[in-house]
Amino acid sequence: SYVLTQPPSVSVAPGKTATITCGGDKIGSTSVHWYQQKPGQAPVLVIYFDTDRPSGIPERLSGSKSGNTATLTISRVEAGDEADYYCQVWDMISDYRVFGGGTKLTVL
Amino acid sequence: QVQPVQSGAEVKKPGSSVKVSCQASGDSFTDSFNDFSISWVRQAPGQGLEWMGRIIPIVGRVQYADDFRGRVTFTADMSTSTVYLEVSGLRSADTAVYYCARGGGSNGYYFDSWGQGTLVTVSS
Repeated sequence: SYVLTQPPSVSVAPGKTATITCGGDKIGSTSVHWYQQKPGQAPVLVIYFDTDRPSGIPERLSGSKSGNTATLTISRVEAGDEADYYCQVWDMISDYRVFGGGTKLTVL
Repeated sequence: QVQPVQSGAEVKKPGSSVKVSCQASGDSFTDSFNDFSISWVRQAPGQGLEWMGRIIPIVGRVQYADDFRGRVTFTADMSTSTVYLEVSGLRSADTAVYYCARGGGSNGYYFDSWGQGTLVTVSS
């Protein structure tokens, strides 16, 4: 089955830039979507189709992709960005939706 | 933001079944709810998100992920814009928060609106 690999944790100081990666051997041929989940809350879509932001999501959050790695970048990190972040793709072979294991972002 | 509304927390015995509902709220959201795919996502305590499968009410199509096929059933009531998840033969490993999520894009490629989650606890 399709596997997406994320680092378990990323730490960053306030005001700095956080990068969260998502790797998979077929990422280059599909779109990547990102979700933010704060403790006790449902996930929220923050990036879709690699780089698009839903309305209401700050421009500080951006997505990119190169080869088989997608990246979520959070600029000027704030305490309120502390959350779990998940990448997700559509597997065109199985027609399944697949999540990465998640990355816990800690703001120091 | 408009989001689906799910039923409340449940405590169940091992071997029993549970049925969780997910209903559209808000006029515009309700009008289109049946046209979208609605997925179910499981999150065990302290764990990540697992896609269980989806239902497209308007065409009656149901798709189950391999790990869940055989013990879960998705149904829909278009008259009330409600979808249901039923899990049978519950075991302790099914203790989790279950989310419904609306599919975005032409084929539900991503999830643009999530229910608040329903905690199902399986305990003797």
